Amino acid sequence: TQLLEQSPQFLSIQEGENLTVYCNSSSVFSSLQWYRQEPGEGPVLLVTVVTGGEVKKLKRLTFQFGDARKDSSLHITAAQTGDTGLYLCAGAENTGFQKLVFGTGTRLLVSP
Amino acid sequence: EAQVTQNPRYLITVTGKKLTVTCSQNMNHEYMSWYRQDPGLGLRQIYYSMNVEVTDKGDVPEGYKVSRKEKRNFPLILESPSPNQTSLYFCASSWTGVGSPLHFGNGTRLTVT
Repeated sequence: TQLLEQSPQFLSIQEGENLTVYCNSSSVFSSLQWYRQEPGEGPVLLVTVVTGGEVKKLKRLTFQFGDARKDSSLHITAAQTGDTGLYLCAGAENTGFQKLVFGTGTRLLVSP
Repeated sequence: EAQVTQNPRYLITVTGKKLTVTCSQNMNHEYMSWYRQDPGLGLRQIYYSMNVEVTDKGDVPEGYKVSRKEKRNFPLILESPSPNQTSLYFCASSWTGVGSPLHFGNGTRLTVT
């Protein structure tokens, strides 16, 4: 099973600051998804990136898929308290099996 | 409302007492999957199903069973639970598999004493 490592594991910042979360693997994925999970709830999909080098923007969130499709990043501009949560990346394995490998997660706390 | 419903939300049981966690989706999704979430280990796949009567092992299937007799339901069965199965469990579904967005239930927190 391919592994996805996320960094940092924890991030505590003030409202208005910028941040970047990284998701890295030594293996290639056919696509990569980012989810946000809030306490007491299941993860909710934010975005899917498919093409190497792809950049997608979702308001203040910018997602990038590495050229080699082994890594991804999530950049948040001017963080808000509502961005607080657990961010998970997930890579679809490049095999015939339907398996989504999740990263270990980045817990973000945005304080007022 | 489109959703994945898991029951129960919380469950405390003793070692060896068989239990079932139910999962139902109302979106006519082909693909369903079970995950467990543990601190520092992220979400790990237990079993998944591409369609009715088709199930496959994920990364951590030992000690679990599943069935997919109907498209909408995908129960997770622990025949003889052990303390190392204490975890937060999530059911998820999607249209066609991991290439399409996964919709998650709200989780079942299981404690086995």
